[in-house]
Amino acid sequence: EPEVTQTPSHQVTQMGQEVILRCVPISNHLYFYWYRQILGQKVEFLVSFYNNEISEKSEIFDDQFSVERPDGSNFTLKIRSTKLEDSAMYFCASSAQAIYGYTFGSGTRLTVV
Amino acid sequence: ILNVEQSPQSLHVQEGDSTNFTCSFPSSNFYALHWYRWETAKSPEALFVMTLNGDEKKKGRISATLNTKEGYSYLYIKGSQPEDSATYLCAFPGEYGNKLVFGAGTILRVKS
Repeated sequence: EPEVTQTPSHQVTQMGQEVILRCVPISNHLYFYWYRQILGQKVEFLVSFYNNEISEKSEIFDDQFSVERPDGSNFTLKIRSTKLEDSAMYFCASSAQAIYGYTFGSGTRLTVV
Repeated sequence: ILNVEQSPQSLHVQEGDSTNFTCSFPSSNFYALHWYRWETAKSPEALFVMTLNGDEKKKGRISATLNTKEGYSYLYIKGSQPEDSATYLCAFPGEYGNKLVFGAGTILRVKS
């Protein structure tokens, strides 16, 4: 069964450093998403991406965050200058249609120290 | 602001017990309601996508019902097993269908 792949599974970074979280969505999917879960809190929407542009972003997704689909297969989330409060599990998801059939990756646990 | 509520927050049951939990969502502008099962260190696994009022879906011992008019969905597990232990999340698409808004989840622990 097709999978969404995320790398790395765990990243530790120093405050102020840039991180790039990588995702390979399912190849025929058109919609891509990033979510995060801070420990003990709800899964939160960050951004959705369709047709090579952001279709919606949350208030969390400020200027420190950016997304790219650099080569038609990878979908990356960059955090320019990490803060302690960015520590969370970050999930990538993709779907063939908006609303239906999301497939999630297994997540990247980001720890900012 | 869309709000999706789940109850209870956590549930501890004995193996063989049947259990159910609730997801409440806005009843206006309904598109679909998603249920996911999430085990620690794994990706959330899609259980059901429910679209029609009165829908009932089943996957093995797990089933779900949907009431779009009153804005709730129930997830039932019949004869719980230890491997059912997970967090069960429901999610509702945002206004334009560009995102899912998640509930806080129900943590289920099944003791053998």
